[in-house]
Amino acid sequence: ELKVEQNPLFLSMQEGKNYTIYCNYSTTSDRLYWYRQDPGKSLESLFVLLSNGAVKQEGRLMASLDTKARLSTLHITAAVHDLSATYFCAGNYGQNFVFGPGTRLSVLP
Amino acid sequence: NAGVTQTPKFQVLKTGQSMTLQCAQDMNHNSMYWYRQDPGMGLRLIYYSASEGTTDKGEVPNGYNVSRLNKREFSLRLESAAPSQTSVYFCASSEPGHHYEQYFGPGTRLTVT
Repeated sequence: ELKVEQNPLFLSMQEGKNYTIYCNYSTTSDRLYWYRQDPGKSLESLFVLLSNGAVKQEGRLMASLDTKARLSTLHITAAVHDLSATYFCAGNYGQNFVFGPGTRLSVLP
Repeated sequence: NAGVTQTPKFQVLKTGQSMTLQCAQDMNHNSMYWYRQDPGMGLRLIYYSASEGTTDKGEVPNGYNVSRLNKREFSLRLESAAPSQTSVYFCASSEPGHHYEQYFGPGTRLTVT
């Protein structure tokens, strides 16, 4: 059974700093997904990682996947307030999707 | 292009009442999903439909039924609501050719008293 964990669950960081969110999963996952959710809003897709070694970048966010370690990371570079949100990773087997608990990120001035 | 739409946005039910949550997508996606989101627990899959005419259970299907009415619409029914079903419900759709990247609706906030 696929289980997905994230850490940290809460993260406060200063603007301009770098940090990494970790996503571990328990068994083979077809793909690895990252989503963003603003308070009271829906989820927005950020990245889909398809295979071992995959790296994707969009602005200040970079996601990577290590299937051997069953680990994905979301790296934040030079954080800005607009990145404050909850970030979820998710894995899947077929069309069964399993989400992590989310990392609530607050970027402070 | 509205994407994924859900109705209603908010609902309050008494224990034992029934209701149907509606979801529609205009992206011509084959796959549709229903999730619930509870504080601190991420999203949990209730049911999904890989294509018109098919439905499958997810992680937490008990107390729910679904209908894939056509390719666009996927409804979720609570036959006898319980306080444990108080949650935010999200519908999503995806397409195999796009690696099942999911597009989510705005959510329905349901309270059962």
